[in-house]
Amino acid sequence: EAQVTQNPRYLITVTGKKLTVTCSQNMNHEYMSWYRQDPGLGLRQIYYSMNVEVTDKGDVPEGYKVSRKEKRNFPLILESPSPNQTSLYFCASSLSPNQLHEQYFGPGTRLTVT
Amino acid sequence: SQQGEEDPQALSIQEGENATMNCSYKTSINNLQWYRQNSGRGLVHLILIRSNEREKHSGRLRVTLDTSKKSSSLLITASRAADTASYFCATDTLYYNQGGKLIFGQGTELSVKP
Repeated sequence: EAQVTQNPRYLITVTGKKLTVTCSQNMNHEYMSWYRQDPGLGLRQIYYSMNVEVTDKGDVPEGYKVSRKEKRNFPLILESPSPNQTSLYFCASSLSPNQLHEQYFGPGTRLTVT
Repeated sequence: SQQGEEDPQALSIQEGENATMNCSYKTSINNLQWYRQNSGRGLVHLILIRSNEREKHSGRLRVTLDTSKKSSSLLITASRAADTASYFCATDTLYYNQGGKLIFGQGTELSVKP
């Protein structure tokens, strides 16, 4: 089944404790992206990747890192999480980076930073 | 800055009625997409309309695009209780050096009462 998977689905952590949210897609998509969703602010893009080893900042990249060493994986790293990073995070992938294709979304990761 | 803005923010209708949601954006686009999100879950792609298209249909969905007014509308005909969800428009940018960025509006929350 074609899908985007994220892990973990739920995470409660403390300020400053490094964490990684994994994202994997099995559709051989070139484009992958991370979003955060907050009430009243909608979805905002954190980072995106056009292809392996190519990543770019979205609208809200501060406090996050990403890597794209393999086509299928695009982990989101929070080196020193803070409470303002409490949010619902979505990973998405698309066939190509020119946005003429739909994006497939993962199920979401609900992160709470205390 | 936010590209897409949906209107209304919330819409409540009876089953069988039609639901219309509008989206406005600010800059020139390659395409506009509509997504649906059930509460707290991942987004699901509904329909993509390209900048050179004016109208597109998919089942009970009808999307229009007016690039002169920088606006789009999503019409759901003969609504069902299962259509209850949030609906988002998303636009990409026309400019290559910003390729890969997809900007979402804040969404319209649709409630369809049986």
